[in-house]
Amino acid sequence: DIQMTQSPSSLSASVGDRVTITCRASQSISSYLNWYQQKPGRAPNLLIYAASSLQSGVPSRFSGSGSGTDFTLTISSLQPEDSATYYCQQSYSTPYTFGQGTKLEIK
Amino acid sequence: EVRLLESGGGLVQPGGSLRLSCAASGFTFSSYAMRWVRQAPGKGLEWVSTVFSTGSSTNYADSVKGRFTISRDNSKNTLYLQMNSLTEEDTAVYYCAKGSYYDSTDYWGQGTLVTVSS
Repeated sequence: DIQMTQSPSSLSASVGDRVTITCRASQSISSYLNWYQQKPGRAPNLLIYAASSLQSGVPSRFSGSGSGTDFTLTISSLQPEDSATYYCQQSYSTPYTFGQGTKLEIK
Repeated sequence: EVRLLESGGGLVQPGGSLRLSCAASGFTFSSYAMRWVRQAPGKGLEWVSTVFSTGSSTNYADSVKGRFTISRDNSKNTLYLQMNSLTEEDTAVYYCAKGSYYDSTDYWGQGTLVTVSS
């Protein structure tokens, strides 16, 4: 199975900050990397697919980059509504494993 | 508007069975892979199973292989998950979800809670 490791596990940042979350795969997954946002009590929401493609309706302050084993989710200017847990997921091969999540809090 | 509505969750004893259903609308159901993803209380997301558009091909997480069966009825726009030999480790919110580009998951239901407890 492909292991997905996110860092950091949690972070706190201020409105307007640039925030970066990283995700590392245990083997190459090409660009089969997706990012999801989940708020408490809600279903996850797809932000980025194929490592860098912005899902329709997602604000442009979210962006993704990377290929192979190392990937990044960036929020260019943090907004209060971005407080959530963020998960990466590989869809290169089953089982489609998720990272452990990064909990983002607003200072 | 895409809608996914799960049902069938509830309390079941260890060793018991449960069948989840997911009614889909707002898209051409028969054209997309569908999957179940679960989340244990306070934990992260775990992919459970995927069924491809025609229903001819399925995949399972090792943790449920041999106990869970995913299926779909394209004439009814409905996805199913038959869960047998349930254990307390299967306690989770189960999400029905729609497959998309690069096998991402672009729409999710609201989730249905399955609690396995004596």
